[in-house]
Amino acid sequence: EAGVAQSPRYKIIEKRQSVAFWCNPISGHATLYWYQQILGQGPKLLIQFQNNGVVDDSQLPKDRFSAERLKGVDSTLKIQPAKLEDSAVYLCASSLAGGQGANEQYFGPGTRLTVT
Amino acid sequence: AQTVTQSQPEMSVQEAETVTLSCTYDTSESDYYLFWYKQPPSRQMILVIRQEAYKQQNATENRFSVNFQKAAKSFSLKISDSQLGDAAMYFCAYRSAVGLLWGYALNFGKGTSLLVTP
Repeated sequence: EAGVAQSPRYKIIEKRQSVAFWCNPISGHATLYWYQQILGQGPKLLIQFQNNGVVDDSQLPKDRFSAERLKGVDSTLKIQPAKLEDSAVYLCASSLAGGQGANEQYFGPGTRLTVT
Repeated sequence: AQTVTQSQPEMSVQEAETVTLSCTYDTSESDYYLFWYKQPPSRQMILVIRQEAYKQQNATENRFSVNFQKAAKSFSLKISDSQLGDAAMYFCAYRSAVGLLWGYALNFGKGTSLLVTP
């Protein structure tokens, strides 16, 4: 089966510009996660969707970050305006909705963002 | 909030030898899951092994095994017969099993960089 797809793989922007990342989860996976991984650290959850509803966005900087998951499939994460500290790898992951299947999250290859 | 601590920023092992990566965590929950993920330079996170807290038996996956000490809140990963392809960042992660039907996100440690030398 196809894995989690993300694009672009790399993005370089100047501070105060905007940027958008796209994620296509594994078919049938109702739960989708966006993580931010700053260099030298482990990934940190930004937002979690269950179908097209937000389950947890407590760590999302809502003054500049936004995310949506229309129709409960693809998702887009946007940053506007970007700051230097947003330089990181943005990982998308998906899992089945519940039961034992929810225990395994499948990750995409990530998008490396550099803000100059 | 649960915290995951990996106290070894870097580890080195010779090919065919055994290495153990350490992880401790802090939680007040009784029901949870613990994971080890591998992240090679390609950045793709790959699940190595999973442990359910309610299971006393340590999980094993081929050359990978864990030592799960629930009372001590310790979860170490042992890699036997190390191979060059094992070189990567290894992350310990915690996931609550309480409440939500569809599960919680993962809470990661800072990672351990494993170098495998010929």
